Amino acid sequence: ELKVEQNPLFLSMQEGKNYTIYCNYSTTSDRLYWYRQDPGKSLESLFVLLSNGAVKQEGRLMASLDTKARLSTLHITAAVHDLSATYFCAVDFGKSSGDKLTFGTGTRLAVRP
Amino acid sequence: DAMVIQNPRYQVTQFGKPVTLSCSQTLNHNVMYWYQQKSSQAPKLLFHYYDKDFNNEADTPDNFQSRRPNTSFCFLDIRSPGLGDAAMYLCATSTRLVSTDTQYFGPGTRLTVL
Repeated sequence: ELKVEQNPLFLSMQEGKNYTIYCNYSTTSDRLYWYRQDPGKSLESLFVLLSNGAVKQEGRLMASLDTKARLSTLHITAAVHDLSATYFCAVDFGKSSGDKLTFGTGTRLAVRP
Repeated sequence: DAMVIQNPRYQVTQFGKPVTLSCSQTLNHNVMYWYQQKSSQAPKLLFHYYDKDFNNEADTPDNFQSRRPNTSFCFLDIRSPGLGDAAMYLCATSTRLVSTDTQYFGPGTRLTVL
């Protein structure tokens, strides 16, 4: 079965702290995407990771992909309130999934003062 | 400059009354997707078009239909909305199915069923 799991599901963190969101997936893929969703809004693309060892950074967010471990991480550095949102990872399993994205459950991040 | 546009942004309908949601794109992408997203859940793919090729997900109810008259436009028809169909409906596009590019999402249409 093609599965994508994120943890934690909910994360409350203090401003200025660092934390990591984990995205595990069930079978081989080298295409992984991170999205952000604000309450009541649509999904915004954050990162596209297309190879083992890929690392992308934008502001306080950094995403990486380890295809051997079937793991992606989204690291948050010195969190600020503006980062409060739900973060989804999504995996393209290729032909075995009909070339569609399989989304993780999402991690709801709340950054408090 | 909006690239994926959805209309309306909010739609209220009555139980059983057909409704059509619209999506248009200026990206000239081959693939258009319709997702349903309920509160606190991940988006759930309903179907997608690769050019004119329609691909329905196995668990998409027959109540949901789609049309893609040309590259730019795609419609989601809900023939007889039930209370359980209240959700956010997201349209997305991409350049091709197996893509090195991401999917681009529209702003969504929030559907309320009374």
